[in-house]
Amino acid sequence: ILNVEQSPQSLHVQEGDSTNFTCSFPSSNFYALHWYRWETAKSPEALFVMTLNGDEKKKGRISATLNTKEGYSYLYIKGSQPEDSATYLCASYGSSNTGKLIFGQGTTLQVKP
Amino acid sequence: NAGVTQTPKFRILKIGQSMTLQCTQDMNHNYMYWYRQDPGMGLKLIYYSVGAGITDKGEVPNGYNVSRSTTEDFPLRLELAAPSQTSVYFCASSTVNSGANVLTFGAGSRLTVL
Repeated sequence: ILNVEQSPQSLHVQEGDSTNFTCSFPSSNFYALHWYRWETAKSPEALFVMTLNGDEKKKGRISATLNTKEGYSYLYIKGSQPEDSATYLCASYGSSNTGKLIFGQGTTLQVKP
Repeated sequence: NAGVTQTPKFRILKIGQSMTLQCTQDMNHNYMYWYRQDPGMGLKLIYYSVGAGITDKGEVPNGYNVSRSTTEDFPLRLELAAPSQTSVYFCASSTVNSGANVLTFGAGSRLTVL
């Protein structure tokens, strides 16, 4: 059974703070790692797909890194803004390209003005 | 393009009733998924399909059935609804190179079983 774990479960920061959270996944048979942003009452929206060890992706103030050998990915938000408040989900596959995409439980970020 | 369309948006069922959640996509995506949103648990995979005629179980398939007779449609059937199936259900799709291509989600269907 594929286990995708995220930590922390929730995070409260002040506007302007930088923050980061972790996604852990099995390193064997790694295929790809997805990050999604999920606002309340909306559908998840894609942030990044990462496939190569050492990969780094960036979108505005949000960036992510990937370590497939040790089975983790970090998501960083620089200078958090209230509009960054959302749940951030990561997802990985059971084995190479079976299509079975499993999500972690998410990290809920609350940014206070 | 409409993307991924789910119907209904809201539904209340009585215990023991059955219903089908509809999902259709117009992007010619091969991969389709059904997830449910459990509080504090993120999204749990119910069933997925890698192409027409092919379906497979996810993490929480019990109490559900799916079919994939066309590329566009992936309905989810609930048989004998139970309160534990109260949830928000999301359908999603992606292209054949699923690892390198993100999911496109529908707007969700909120189901309450009383």
